[in-house]
Amino acid sequence: GQQLNQSPQSMFIQEGEDVSMNCTSSSIFNTWLWYKQEPGEGPVLLIALYKAGELTSNGRLTAQFGITRKDSFLNISASIPSDVGIYFCAGQAVSQGGSEKLVFGKGTKLTVNP
Amino acid sequence: DAGVTQSPTHLIKTRGQQVTLRCSPKSGHDTVSWYQQALGQGPQFIFQYYEEEERQRGNFPDRFSGHQFPNYSSELNVNALLLGDSALYLCASSLGRSDTQYFGPGTRLTVL
Repeated sequence: GQQLNQSPQSMFIQEGEDVSMNCTSSSIFNTWLWYKQEPGEGPVLLIALYKAGELTSNGRLTAQFGITRKDSFLNISASIPSDVGIYFCAGQAVSQGGSEKLVFGKGTKLTVNP
Repeated sequence: DAGVTQSPTHLIKTRGQQVTLRCSPKSGHDTVSWYQQALGQGPQFIFQYYEEEERQRGNFPDRFSGHQFPNYSSELNVNALLLGDSALYLCASSLGRSDTQYFGPGTRLTVL
């Protein structure tokens, strides 16, 4: 199935460090979303971006919708142990039918050492 | 405000059997989408239901079918189970077909 190119695949960082991950696509999307998934749980929405160039923050998280509409990045500042998890980007286009699926990246697994 | 709920949480089946998974959308939502997440992968779109009809379908065989009820809840049915169907099955709900999707905790299906 279709997937976005998400990098890095995994990150091992020290508590207090900043984190950056990104996602690219060959297709244009109208919406970019960032989710976090912890073991045994479903993805939890962190940030939604609806406009090219948009920069949105949610606490220590900041995400941007790329100008070309084919990429997005997520930054986490001053990481803490509870940031551990798998972060997924997802793109959403809008079809003629009005409904559209989410296309996901493979995820970035984040490990934070106290 | 109830979030998306799914049942059961875990399920073990054998090859060739069929399975039904259930989803109740977040309060106020009318659209349900189903995704399959294999181990180490991102979720893959199966199909989306709105107004009790399948509106869009991903690259999954006809063994995967669904239903949406008048109260917006939904079922995912998989027939003739294969070992490769083992995965976490996620349900997501939204208000409208293009709105932001919120996920449930998933059902872990193991096919032996």
